[in-house]
Amino acid sequence: DTEVTQTPKHLVMGMTNKKSLKCEQHMGHRAMYWYKQKAKKPPELMFVYSYEKLSINESVPSRFSPECPNSSLLNLHLHALQPEDSALYLCASSQVDGTEPQHFGDGTRLSIL
Amino acid sequence: ELKVEQNPLFLSMQEGKNYTIYCNYSTTSDRLYWYRQDPGKSLESLFVLLSNGAVKQEGRLMASLDTKARLSTLHITAAVHDLSATYFCAVDWVAGNMLTFGGGTRLMVKP
Repeated sequence: DTEVTQTPKHLVMGMTNKKSLKCEQHMGHRAMYWYKQKAKKPPELMFVYSYEKLSINESVPSRFSPECPNSSLLNLHLHALQPEDSALYLCASSQVDGTEPQHFGDGTRLSIL
Repeated sequence: ELKVEQNPLFLSMQEGKNYTIYCNYSTTSDRLYWYRQDPGKSLESLFVLLSNGAVKQEGRLMASLDTKARLSTLHITAAVHDLSATYFCAVDWVAGNMLTFGGGTRLMVKP
């Protein structure tokens, strides 16, 4: 069983819709991450939160908006996405010091019509 | 900009054989991670290597890190079908949990 829970598992949305991806962990980790993974490609880092503060934003388009309401939750708000945004979106968490691996959720498979 | 290169990108091998996957990176770092991903699944952590000369082993897999050469290896001993998956190395080059992944090695182990 994964210790990082992501919902929904699948999401189909139109280009004008607004939706949110959710991620939850109860491992006491204070760093949380969003990655984007296209088919047969490696994950690409989008955002890093450390102690609930956004510490890294990898020049992601503003149609993606992250939010960290508390130390256990991470959201990714989506608005006006493009077809090329269709991908697997992975959430991960870890200790801040990086001495342990990042733990990944099962991901949300997003399709933009 | 950090570049992380894995080779080979695709590996087909027979059960019982040994092989090594290589991970080269372009910037100084002493933090490297190996992950496994099965088709349609998420990433599973295999090894964390945090210093020069670090070696970790689990079952038929052994990982090592040479920070001076900027090289990590993942050695497979006596491969079995269950090891078929895609293997990624990832480098944290700013010690800020900012991982850059290699392109992945898709491993197929044939009976």
